[in-house]
Amino acid sequence: KAGVTQTPRYLIKTRGQQVTLSCSPISGHRSVSWYQQTPGQGLQFLFEYFSETQRNKGNFPGRFSGRQFSNSRSEMNVSTLELGDSALYLCASSWTFRGETQYFGPGTRLLVL
Amino acid sequence: GIQVEQSPPDLILQEGANSTLRCNFSDSVNNLQWFHQNPWGQLINLFYIPSGTKQNGRLSATTVATERYSLLYISSSQTTDSGVYFCAPGSGGGADGLTFGKGTHLIIQP
Repeated sequence: KAGVTQTPRYLIKTRGQQVTLSCSPISGHRSVSWYQQTPGQGLQFLFEYFSETQRNKGNFPGRFSGRQFSNSRSEMNVSTLELGDSALYLCASSWTFRGETQYFGPGTRLLVL
Repeated sequence: GIQVEQSPPDLILQEGANSTLRCNFSDSVNNLQWFHQNPWGQLINLFYIPSGTKQNGRLSATTVATERYSLLYISSSQTTDSGVYFCAPGSGGGADGLTFGKGTHLIIQP
């Protein structure tokens, strides 16, 4: 069974631009969570989707948004990029919502110049 | 939200050595996972262990939920064990997702 896939793997943007990242969960998994990893703040929860509905959201500004499609694939969007948004963005999938094993994708490395 | 403390922050060992990594957490949890992050950033799930003991080859983990800690044991270390080990508890019903500790950076020297 294929693992969690994320595209693109690497991305370079400039301040003020927006970016969309994509995550395809393991087949059959209906929950997708997103995390941001930076050297200063570590790994932080962004949001979680289940059956196309956002179930939970972390403490991030409204510039960070996401959605989930009927096939469970998820996208996250960051608008008006800031230098501090440079990070590794990881997505994880599980059968249902949190409370069980989460499987992570390889991540998207975003560099904002 | 849950507070997570991992120790030690850094650990350098020779190949073949054994190690114990510790994770303390502040609240009741119904989900706890251990991950290994490799040099390319991939988080690899090691254990889902909200309570009890599990073993997988040279690795084993124990969570004592009533005392709010978890331990990861690595025996007969290999250089491929190098990387960062994260403990991530979750409360399930909360709104914070998994809460990750700062990790233990493990270096295994040949």
